[in-house]
Amino acid sequence: DSGVTQTPKHLITATGQRVTLRCSPRSGDLSVYWYQQSLDQGLQFLIQYYNGEERAKGNILERFSAQQFPDLHSELNLSSLELGDSALYFCASSLLVGTGNTIYFGEGSWLTVV
Amino acid sequence: GENVEQHPSTLSVQEGDSAVIKCTYSDSASNYFPWYKQELGKRPQLIIDIRSNVGEKKDQRIAVTLNKTAKHFSLHITETQPEDSAVYFCAAAEDGGSQGNLIFGKGTKLSVKP
Repeated sequence: DSGVTQTPKHLITATGQRVTLRCSPRSGDLSVYWYQQSLDQGLQFLIQYYNGEERAKGNILERFSAQQFPDLHSELNLSSLELGDSALYFCASSLLVGTGNTIYFGEGSWLTVV
Repeated sequence: GENVEQHPSTLSVQEGDSAVIKCTYSDSASNYFPWYKQELGKRPQLIIDIRSNVGEKKDQRIAVTLNKTAKHFSLHITETQPEDSAVYFCAAAEDGGSQGNLIFGKGTKLSVKP
């Protein structure tokens, strides 16, 4: 158990819908990351927050947004869902930002868009 | 931004043999290179990492080497066991590690045959 908690574990929804994925980082960790893992794309970095502020942005679509709340939990909002958004979405956390802060992954949220 | 290439995409070895996975990165400012192991349906877990001021690091049957001049690093697993079967991801810290977010290779599926 990494200490990173993600909900829901599984989610099935229809195209065009909107979903919210939730993440609680490890106790004390200030930085949260979101990654998307689909079959042939490996782990794609989406976005990073540190202590409530956005710190880095990767290949995140405009239909997706995220935020980190004062209690440090984070939510990833996915809207106007398409079939291609079906993937495993990982949240990860680290104590701080910067090189060498070990990033711990949660168990992921499986999203299936039908 | 950082780009990480990983080879091979699949690797099959006999139990007891060695396995080598290679990665190259594009950003010469990258200075932190972790390796993650992901078993089927599970979260990626850190198995070893190396920083740019070190050329090699070992942990029991696992070793990582780094060649900064050539911008490549490798994972070596000796005396492989069936439980080593998994997908292995290399990664590099983006932006010289200023934020800590990782850019991953596309993964290597290692199969160890008894």
